Amino acid sequence: ELKVEQNPLFLSMQEGKNYTIYCNYSTTSDRLYWYRQDPGKSLESLFVLLSNGAVKQEGRLMASLDTKARLSTLHITAAVHDLSATYFCAVGPTYYGGSQGNLIFGKGTKLSVKP
Amino acid sequence: DTEVTQTPKHLVMGMTNKKSLKCEQHMGHRAMYWYKQKAKKPPELMFVYSYEKLSINESVPSRFSPECPNSSLLNLHLHALQPEDSALYLCASSRLATYEGTQYFGPGTRLTVL
Repeated sequence: ELKVEQNPLFLSMQEGKNYTIYCNYSTTSDRLYWYRQDPGKSLESLFVLLSNGAVKQEGRLMASLDTKARLSTLHITAAVHDLSATYFCAVGPTYYGGSQGNLIFGKGTKLSVKP
Repeated sequence: DTEVTQTPKHLVMGMTNKKSLKCEQHMGHRAMYWYKQKAKKPPELMFVYSYEKLSINESVPSRFSPECPNSSLLNLHLHALQPEDSALYLCASSRLATYEGTQYFGPGTRLTVL
């Protein structure tokens, strides 16, 4: 059974600081996603990581994937208040014959950026 | 256009009611999904449709009945729900179920069962 663990689950940061959110998963996967969710809203896609060593950056967020370690990181640089949200990683397990479309989500990291 | 629309936005129903949730996308995606999200929890997959055929049912109770009438529409029929079924129901779509690209999520329907 695929398990996806995120940590920390809660993160309170000061503006301008850097921090990293970690996402570990327990079985083979060739797809890892990061989503953002604002309170009461839907999920917004941030990054799709499909290969070992993949690194993607958008603004103050940078995501990376190490498939050998089964680890993805979401690094926040010089945080600003607008980044306050819950961040989910999601993993698509690999089956014989390929993906089936299902995603397993981590519990989410609730990020609060304070002035 | 990467939009997935869902109606209604909010739904309140009694345990004896029958209602339906609707999801629509016009991106030409051939995979559509229903997720359930309880407060402060991650989304949980309920169903996957691939080419209008049900490909994954994650042991969802039969009081939830999905339907995919065509490649753009996905419905979730609700009957005899329980208060614990109250949640945000999210629809998503992707190019193919086997496609490694993004699943795009709709805004969700917030369901309350009295």
